[in-house]
Amino acid sequence: NAGVMQNPRHLVRRRGQEARLRCSPMKGHSHVYWYRQLPEEGLKFMVYLQKENIIDESGMPKERFSAEFPKEGPSILRIQQVVRGDSAAYFCASSPPVGGPISNEQFFGPGTRLTVL
Amino acid sequence: AQKVTQAQTEISVVEKEDVTLDCVYETRDTTYYLFWYKQPPSGELVFLIRRNSFDEQNEISGRYSWNFQKSTSSFNFTITASQVVDSAVYFCALDLANSGGYQKVTFGIGTKLQVIP
Repeated sequence: NAGVMQNPRHLVRRRGQEARLRCSPMKGHSHVYWYRQLPEEGLKFMVYLQKENIIDESGMPKERFSAEFPKEGPSILRIQQVVRGDSAAYFCASSPPVGGPISNEQFFGPGTRLTVL
Repeated sequence: AQKVTQAQTEISVVEKEDVTLDCVYETRDTTYYLFWYKQPPSGELVFLIRRNSFDEQNEISGRYSWNFQKSTSSFNFTITASQVVDSAVYFCALDLANSGGYQKVTFGIGTKLQVIP
């Protein structure tokens, strides 16, 4: 059973370009989370998605950032018109459906390191 | 709002020494989950442990042990007889079992551990 896959692992963009980060959750997992890790900082929650639905995007910057998790295919985190401050590691995590108050472990992908020149 | 504090930003120890990484958390919820993750230089996140707020038993796994104390809101991590391979950034994290039924993990800033041969 493959783990959470993220690609690309490293992405270099120039200011003003678009960055598209992909995340394929573990098989059977229908919940996807995106986190951002700025240099020398911990991970910060960005968005939580289920198939075709954004459930919680309270951690997403208001502009230029968007996320989707289509019925088919990977989840995509899209950053438009990137700026140097977007340089960070972006981690995706997935979990199986959660019921009640039980918290299942989130399985993290290896991350995508975005560098904006 | 929840918060995780890892007061030690960097620790250096000589191989075979014991080392304790501190973690203090804040939450008003009574049901929550605490985690430790390891991030080696390669950058991926490695899950180490999850504890729920109702289980204060200390846990030992090989050279790793965890001390959970609700009275002081602490979840400290001890590595016994440290090895060079333990060199990494270690993150403590908190997840509330919110009514939405999903996880929204709050990470500490991380403690960078360097084990010197």
